[in-house]
Amino acid sequence: DQQVKQNSPSLSVQEGRISILNCDYTNSMFDYFLWYKKYPAEGPTFLISISSIKDKNEDGRFTVFLNKSAKHLSLHIVPSQPGDSAVYFCAAKRDAGNMLTFGGGTRLMVKP
Amino acid sequence: GAVVSQHPSWVICKSGTSVKIECRSLDFQATTMFWYRQFPKQSLMLMATSNEGSKATYEQGVEKDKFLINHASLTLSTLTVTSAHPEDSSFYICSAADGMGRYIQPQHFGDGTRLSIL
Repeated sequence: DQQVKQNSPSLSVQEGRISILNCDYTNSMFDYFLWYKKYPAEGPTFLISISSIKDKNEDGRFTVFLNKSAKHLSLHIVPSQPGDSAVYFCAAKRDAGNMLTFGGGTRLMVKP
Repeated sequence: GAVVSQHPSWVICKSGTSVKIECRSLDFQATTMFWYRQFPKQSLMLMATSNEGSKATYEQGVEKDKFLINHASLTLSTLTVTSAHPEDSSFYICSAADGMGRYIQPQHFGDGTRLSIL
C-alpha cells in the first residue's frame, strides 16, 4: 500500500513559468513533509520541508503548501529554471522517529 | 554541517564477488543509519534500518544474509552485498539520522553507490 503518492511521473514546463509538483498521502499520522531533488546517480538533495501545523512554507523560489484535510501537498517553483530539471520526491515522516516514506517521484523538465 | 560520505561511488565487478559499501557521517553522530535501493526510474526503497551497536532491521523481502549491514560505530555503517549477481545491480543510497534532532532534516543522504555486476 503506497502511503505517499506522486501521481504525475513527469512534468514539462517552460523556463520562467511556475512548476507545480503534487503529492498525496494516506496516513494521517504523518506530521512532517519534505521535498527532495535528485539527479541520476546522486543522492537526494533536501529542498524544503513543512510541519503539519503549518499550511505554507517558503524558501526563495520554492514554496510548499500543505492541505491536511485533503492529505495533499504541493511544491511550487517560480520562476522555473533549466537547472531545476531533475526528479523530485516528496517524503513524509510520522511521530518522533526518523523514518521517511517516499513518493514515486516526478521528473521535471524545464525547457529554455 | 550534517555531511554524509558514501564510498565507493561506482563499483563494477564480476558475478559472485562480495562488495562492501561504506557510509560515514562526517560531522555528527548517527544513531540510526538507513540503506536504500533505487532501480532506474523508480523511487527509493528502504532496505534496512540500523542502530549503532545492534542488529539491523530489514524490510520485508530484503534478504539479510545477502545484504549484510554493520553499524559498529556512531559514524560508520557498511553494507556488504554478498556473492553479488547481475540482478543486484542497482543504485544504493545510505542516509544517517542525528539522534539529537538538531536538524530540520530527519535524514542526511550520501551521494549513492552505483553497483554494476557483470
